[in-house]
Amino acid sequence: GQQLNQSPQSMFIQEGEDVSMNCTSSSIFNTWLWYKQDPGEGPVLLIALYKAGELTSNGRLTAQFGITRKDSFLNISASIPSDVGIYFCAGGTGANSKLTFGKGITLSVRP
Amino acid sequence: DVKVTQSSRYLVKRTGEKVFLECVQDMDHENMFWYRQDPGLGLRLIYFSYDVKMKEKGDIPEGYSVSREKKERFSLILESASTNQTSMYLCASSYGSPGETQYFGPGTRLLVL
Repeated sequence: GQQLNQSPQSMFIQEGEDVSMNCTSSSIFNTWLWYKQDPGEGPVLLIALYKAGELTSNGRLTAQFGITRKDSFLNISASIPSDVGIYFCAGGTGANSKLTFGKGITLSVRP
Repeated sequence: DVKVTQSSRYLVKRTGEKVFLECVQDMDHENMFWYRQDPGLGLRLIYFSYDVKMKEKGDIPEGYSVSREKKERFSLILESASTNQTSMYLCASSYGSPGETQYFGPGTRLLVL
């Protein structure tokens, strides 16, 4: 079946640094989503992308829908301690299919 | 704002018990989902429902059943809990097709002893 690849499994950065995360697939998706999960909580939608090439920002977060429709990336600028958590990507192909999720990247931010 | 609530944040049950996990959404979404989340395995879909009284198996339905009697409520049932069902359970809902953006509840952390 379809799979989304997120690596590495964990990232460690210094407060104030920028960080970029990729999500790749061998299949084409029509929707790319990025979620963040705080420890002990459910995932929260950060950014939704619906068009190839689309670049969308949400505060310090920027995400792009890859032009090939097989990848997406998420940038976090000027990281702060509350950015810690697990970042998931998800891809959708449209009607009658379910979202496919990556396994997530755990982000740690050192003060 | 979309709100998805789950009946319990933490549950402790014994092996063999019947366990009910409840999920309610307040946005009139057609689709509802149950996932379990385990370290290193990501989110795995157990069951989903695209309409009242309709259900579809996900990737790991064994040992689980579901019920959707009302549009806003989707229940996950562990008929006879086992220790390997200790996990974080997440409910989600979406509007339109099952491939649309999903909104998650806060999760239920279940421990089966």
